[in-house]
Amino acid sequence: DADVTQTPRNRITKTGKRIMLECSQTKGHDRMYWYRQDPGLGLQLIYYSFDVKDINKGEISDGYSVSRQAQAKFSLSLESAIPNQTALYFCATSDGQGGRETQYFGPGTRLLVL
Amino acid sequence: GEDVEQSLFLSVREGDSSVINCTYTDSSSTYLYWYKQEPGAGLQLLTYIFSNMDMKQDQRLTVLLNKKDKHLSLRIADTQTGDSAIYFCAEFSYTGRRALTFGSGTRLQVQP
Repeated sequence: DADVTQTPRNRITKTGKRIMLECSQTKGHDRMYWYRQDPGLGLQLIYYSFDVKDINKGEISDGYSVSRQAQAKFSLSLESAIPNQTALYFCATSDGQGGRETQYFGPGTRLLVL
Repeated sequence: GEDVEQSLFLSVREGDSSVINCTYTDSSSTYLYWYKQEPGAGLQLLTYIFSNMDMKQDQRLTVLLNKKDKHLSLRIADTQTGDSAIYFCAEFSYTGRRALTFGSGTRLQVQP
């Protein structure tokens, strides 16, 4: 069973629609992250959360919002989707133990905005 | 701010060694990581190195860190076709945003 799951795995939506991507983890980690991946650009951090009450913007948070419903759940919303938000989205978790920031990734959600 | 750079592509023959290079700018980096991404999958942690180490070896993988030059490399010995993937370098520092900064990834192609 996967430790970090993302739903949906694929989504096609239209410009202007609101959509939500969900992430759940069974690793018991406090820290959760949302990234987007575009070809040739690596991973860019959208939002991250160190616990349920600690949510921080990443480098590309405009146009996105998040909700940390519980330690195990971290959702990413696109309030009004636009075509340049077409990308592969990854959720990740870490426990920050020993001063390390070893992150464990979900399988990704491929989003296409028409 | 933090920046991590990698070359985009590397092609090697099966059985040869592969060396993937990475440079970073944040001198306060504490940990440096190598992740592997296979087609259609998420990122999988391969190995990491603490900033006070010069080298770390783990089976076919050798990580070299030159802290003075802010240069990190990943050597894969006896490269196999199953090693074909995108390899990401990432750094973490306790200063700044306290999150990983990733390079753009190096696509490794292994020719049979």
